[in-house]
Amino acid sequence: AQKITQTQPGMFVQEKEAVTLDCTYDTSDPSYGLFWYKQPSSGEMIFLIYQGSYDQQNATEGRYSLNFQKARKSANLVISASQLGDSAMYFCAMRVSGNTPLVFGKGTRLSVIA
Amino acid sequence: DVKVTQSSRYLVKRTGEKVFLECVQDMDHENMFWYRQDPGLGLRLIYFSYDVKMKEKGDIPEGYSVSREKKERFSLILESASTNQTSMYLCASSLPSGFAGNTIYFGEGSWLTVV
Repeated sequence: AQKITQTQPGMFVQEKEAVTLDCTYDTSDPSYGLFWYKQPSSGEMIFLIYQGSYDQQNATEGRYSLNFQKARKSANLVISASQLGDSAMYFCAMRVSGNTPLVFGKGTRLSVIA
Repeated sequence: DVKVTQSSRYLVKRTGEKVFLECVQDMDHENMFWYRQDPGLGLRLIYFSYDVKMKEKGDIPEGYSVSREKKERFSLILESASTNQTSMYLCASSLPSGFAGNTIYFGEGSWLTVV
């Protein structure tokens, strides 16, 4: 069975600073994908970034980067130059094959302060 | 663009009512999912379907059933709604593949209150 752990229920960051949201995972499957989603108060799930287990380089998408440390089973999300619009819930998730569902962590609520 | 549409954004139902939450996707995806989201608990899988008429229980199937008669539509059914089913429900869909990398697409969510 797969498990995702997000240990930070809430985080605060000053506008324009960088912030790291922690995520650790557990699976015995060698092939898996790791995802991060943003959920604003409206409720929609916005896909941010993806990292495959065999990817050699850390994924980056604009201000988002994923710090993938396979040996430690961690997949932390780094947001650079935080903006007020980044205030939201952030979920880390994993999937082990195309016909299985995403397994989610409990989420981290990020608040960006002006 | 992939579109996943949940028929009702906000619902208020009475205890004991039968409730249908409908989800339709327009991208011919084989996989469809229903999640429930509660504060502090994240998203928990209720049911998923990887083909028409196929369904698999997720982590919290009790009190729910599903129907997938057509590929594009996946319905979540609360046979007899209870107050502990007050929650936000998210539908999602994706293509199957041999890789884990294909993105899962979500609907906007249905906020259900059972009184």
